[in-house]
Amino acid sequence: KAGVTQTPRYLIKTRGQQVTLSCSPISGHRSVSWYQQTPGQGLQFLFEYFSETQRNKGNFPGRFSGRQFSNSRSEMNVSTLELGDSALYLCASSLDTWAGTDTQYFGPGTRLTVL
Amino acid sequence: GQNIDQPTEMTATEGAIVQINCTYQTSGFNGLFWYQQHAGEAPTFLSYNVLDGLEEKGRFSSFLSRSKGYSYLLLKELQMKDSASYLCAVKPTGGFKTIFGAGTRLFVKA
Repeated sequence: KAGVTQTPRYLIKTRGQQVTLSCSPISGHRSVSWYQQTPGQGLQFLFEYFSETQRNKGNFPGRFSGRQFSNSRSEMNVSTLELGDSALYLCASSLDTWAGTDTQYFGPGTRLTVL
Repeated sequence: GQNIDQPTEMTATEGAIVQINCTYQTSGFNGLFWYQQHAGEAPTFLSYNVLDGLEEKGRFSSFLSRSKGYSYLLLKELQMKDSASYLCAVKPTGGFKTIFGAGTRLFVKA
């Protein structure tokens, strides 16, 4: 079974631009979570989607948004990029994060650099 | 609120045993996870605890004490390839997210 895929793997943008990142979960997984990882802050939860609905959102400004499609693929968008948005963005899929035994499987991430 | 504490860095010798501790404060959770993350790579699942006690999986074991808000990951017969970050994470009840600690960077030296 193919793992979680994320595109693009690397991205360089300038301040003020916007970016869209894509995540394809493992086949059959309906829950997709997004995380931002930086050296100083570790993994920070952005949001989680299940069946096209956002069920939870982390403490990030409204510039960060996402959506999920009917095939469970998900995208996240960051508008008006700031230097501090430079990070590794990880997507993780699972059958359903409501279940206590549910394990998340991570994609390779998208490395975003904002200049 | 939820808070997870882990040591920032640890160093151990090849062939030895190392214990990575994790303490957490949360009103309730469904499970505690350990992930391994090599530099430049995505986290990969190592273990899961929901009940108190020790879960053993080959060279890796994880322990949980819910009453003490404490867990540890035990790595035996350390190998150089075990040099990585180890992330402790909890899944609070009533939510749809997993909270990760900042991770412990383990350096295995010859």
